[in-house]
Amino acid sequence: GQNIDQPTEMTATEGAIVQINCTYQTSGFNGLFWYQQHAGEAPTFLSYNVLDGLEEKGRFSSFLSRSKGYSYLLLKELQMKDSASYLCVYPPHAGNNRKLIWGLGTSLAVNP
Amino acid sequence: DTEVTQTPKHLVMGMTNKKSLKCEQHMGHRAMYWYKQKAKKPPELMFVYSYEKLSINESVPSRFSPECPNSSLLNLHLHALQPEDSALYLCASSQEGFDSPLHFGNGTRLTVT
Repeated sequence: GQNIDQPTEMTATEGAIVQINCTYQTSGFNGLFWYQQHAGEAPTFLSYNVLDGLEEKGRFSSFLSRSKGYSYLLLKELQMKDSASYLCVYPPHAGNNRKLIWGLGTSLAVNP
Repeated sequence: DTEVTQTPKHLVMGMTNKKSLKCEQHMGHRAMYWYKQKAKKPPELMFVYSYEKLSINESVPSRFSPECPNSSLLNLHLHALQPEDSALYLCASSQEGFDSPLHFGNGTRLTVT
């Protein structure tokens, strides 16, 4: 089957580091996306990983382990504006790869 | 500023009304999408156009009718909607290829009364 698991909610403190995990099950692999979505707004693209390892983009980094079916999004130096939902997403290998498989999202609350 | 523009931002319509949602992008993307999103849920795919042809229809009720007049425009025509159709409707575009991220518009918040 195809599914994604990520925690429903997380809480962290301003200035801290938080890691949002995502595990997935898929036959074949076409890479994995992370999107950020603030309440009432559209999702915005954060990262795409297709090879194992860590990719860093400023305060945000994304990690992938294909053998473990595991990814995480690492947010450093948290700011209040990072309070949002973080969605783990992948294009399926079988069928039409435009029918993205979306996780339910992790709602992150950053407290002062 | 978003590079995908959706209008209107908010729409309230009765169950007998006919209305249209509009989406425009000028990034040269050849794939365009309509998603529906309910509160605290991920976006749910409705339609995909690829090179102006409908390539995916996720068994959406016929009261939703998509149209792609040209490579930059995407419309969603609404007729005889139900209250449960109230949601955020998101348009997105992307380049070809499964590794291309989606660029979303800010959405239309639709309320059906």
